[in-house]
Amino acid sequence: DTAVSQTPKYLVTQMGNDKSIKCEQNLGHDTMYWYKQDSKKFLKIMFSYNNKELIINETVPNRFSPKSPDKAHLNLHINSLELGDSAVYFCASSQEGLQGQPQHFGDGTRLSIL
Amino acid sequence: GDSVTQMEGPVTLSEEAFLTINCTYTATGYPSLFWYVQYPGEGLQLLLKATKADDKGSNKGFEATYRKETTSFHLEKGSVQVSDSAVYFCALKRRGSNYKLTFGKGTLLTVNP
Repeated sequence: DTAVSQTPKYLVTQMGNDKSIKCEQNLGHDTMYWYKQDSKKFLKIMFSYNNKELIINETVPNRFSPKSPDKAHLNLHINSLELGDSAVYFCASSQEGLQGQPQHFGDGTRLSIL
Repeated sequence: GDSVTQMEGPVTLSEEAFLTINCTYTATGYPSLFWYVQYPGEGLQLLLKATKADDKGSNKGFEATYRKETTSFHLEKGSVQVSDSAVYFCALKRRGSNYKLTFGKGTLLTVNP
């Protein structure tokens, strides 16, 4: 009964490779997000989709491309991986419309670039 | 732009000690305010929230009050346990920001037995 699930949990790969992270939520939410958490635990939003429409794109390199095939899924594809991409990536979802709706987070994908 | 400032960690306490983690924010209008907790190796979990001035959020013995006049949302707990060891994040969400959560930098709390 996992609410927001991400796969894989760990991803170790070489510089220059292309990889994808998948995210699914079973909460019936209409908005999904990708966050990047660096080694100092700082969290920064990357993308947000509302009803499959991109609404936030926060100065993320073009190598990162989100895709939302439906409201329950938001995948993240990364081309030409660089050392600086090493981080933990969190997917989240929320049901917007009312004030103060919290976001629900997945357990994260730890990406390590060799 | 929106910003959240929370006290730098790490914070180390003994079990049953009183906890305060300060959080102040900058945002136009009346944002919603949140505290999230991240246990080692896990994602973020909502701890508590408040949506308007003078609201008090509470959960698991933690409390925080939305203070508009001081733009603050300090987290408190009267008696911490070893199991409270985690990273705590203060965050805000403002109407018109496309639902974006703006986080503070996080405060690592370690509680020793």
